[in-house]
Amino acid sequence: AQSVTQLGSHVSVSEGALVLLRCNYSSSVPPYLFWYVQYPNQGLQLLLKYTSAATLVKGINGFEAEFKKSETSFHLTKPSAHMSDAAEYFCAVSEPGTASKLTFGTGTRLQVTL
Amino acid sequence: KAGVTQTPRYLIKTRGQQVTLSCSPISGHRSVSWYQQTPGQGLQFLFEYFSETQRNKGNFPGRFSGRQFSNSRSEMNVSTLELGDSALYLCASSLASGGRTEAFFGQGTRLTVV
Repeated sequence: AQSVTQLGSHVSVSEGALVLLRCNYSSSVPPYLFWYVQYPNQGLQLLLKYTSAATLVKGINGFEAEFKKSETSFHLTKPSAHMSDAAEYFCAVSEPGTASKLTFGTGTRLQVTL
Repeated sequence: KAGVTQTPRYLIKTRGQQVTLSCSPISGHRSVSWYQQTPGQGLQFLFEYFSETQRNKGNFPGRFSGRQFSNSRSEMNVSTLELGDSALYLCASSLASGGRTEAFFGQGTRLTVV
């Protein structure tokens, strides 16, 4: 069975600082991995996805993530945080062949301070 | 291009009643998935429909059901509502089933059971 663990339910960074949100996955087959962002009272917006192509994936709004098979990790980073990045971030995994079922982590709330 | 549309956005129901939620996918998308989001359980997969057929189902009781119409629009129904069914219900559409194509989420329907 597939699963995702997000370390840190709350992360606080200063504006302009590096953002690092951690995600580790478990999957019996090479997975597809995703990062989504959710703003209050909104749905989920896809930031980026890994589907077995390049291991370094660039997404929207300056975010990127690196797939590391040896560490079963898919951490999300952004070099310089902006106030508008404050939101909840979810890592998700799906296994090819299991239809479109996404298994989500518990989420990390990012706070950006001045 | 219109996004995923969920109606209604907010709903208040009484325990024991039933409710139907609607989701209109992005034009051309044939896969529709439903998720429940609660503070305690996080984001959980309910089911996926593709070409009017249920492809996958999560671990929810039979009170939760869904269907998809020939135009890909989907509805989910919850019968005999319980207080614990209060949640944000999210619908996601994809071009195809299988997980490789990204899922686009609607803004959700906030269901409150009193």
